[in-house]
Amino acid sequence: SAVISQKPSRDICQRGTSLTIQCQVDSQVTMMFWYRQQPGQSLTLIATANQGSEATYESGFVIDKFPISRPNLTFSTLTVSNMSPEDSSIYLCSVETGTEAFFGQGTRLTVV
Amino acid sequence: AQSVTQLDSQVPVFEEAPVELRCNYSSSVSVYLFWYVQYPNQGLQLLLKYLSGSTLVESINGFEAEFNKSQTSFHLRKPSVHISDTAEYFCAVAPTSGTYKYIFGTGTRLKVLA
Repeated sequence: SAVISQKPSRDICQRGTSLTIQCQVDSQVTMMFWYRQQPGQSLTLIATANQGSEATYESGFVIDKFPISRPNLTFSTLTVSNMSPEDSSIYLCSVETGTEAFFGQGTRLTVV
Repeated sequence: AQSVTQLDSQVPVFEEAPVELRCNYSSSVSVYLFWYVQYPNQGLQLLLKYLSGSTLVESINGFEAEFNKSQTSFHLRKPSVHISDTAEYFCAVAPTSGTYKYIFGTGTRLKVLA
């Protein structure tokens, strides 16, 4: 199993600013994943973060908007840049061990 | 490519009544199937999963799901729900080989009424 600490748990931000979300795992993992959970919609994978290499982004997500860092095997950050109200969502960090995914508690972001 | 459909966005049910949350999937490759639960203001927690073997899988809190390959379904059931089961339930699939890219359904909000 894996325990994931994610912070902040929630934030209200002004449009045009940036927010960095942190994700800490209690064990070393090769891949970490960032998801977005929009109201009434599926969880959507934003990117996969491997330690020591650039993140791999899914269709519709770009590095300039969602830069990701992965400095070691237990930590990652996701930045939501130049925010607009459309970025208001829950952002989730995830790791997968074997055949199970573990999630952080999420960051509820509101952009005003 | 894979997709997951949860037909019911909300399911209200009275306490101690049975419930079924429906999940259908589409995939061109072999997949694992999962149900996750999200209680208010919390992250997702694994409820149960189907990897192989018996098509009926159970959770420790009384939920069960049955994998039906011919109907590409993985419906979640509980014979008698409790108020504490009120939560959002997500069905998900992930390919059995390669990177574990989970595809989630849109979720079903189960509201148990007293």
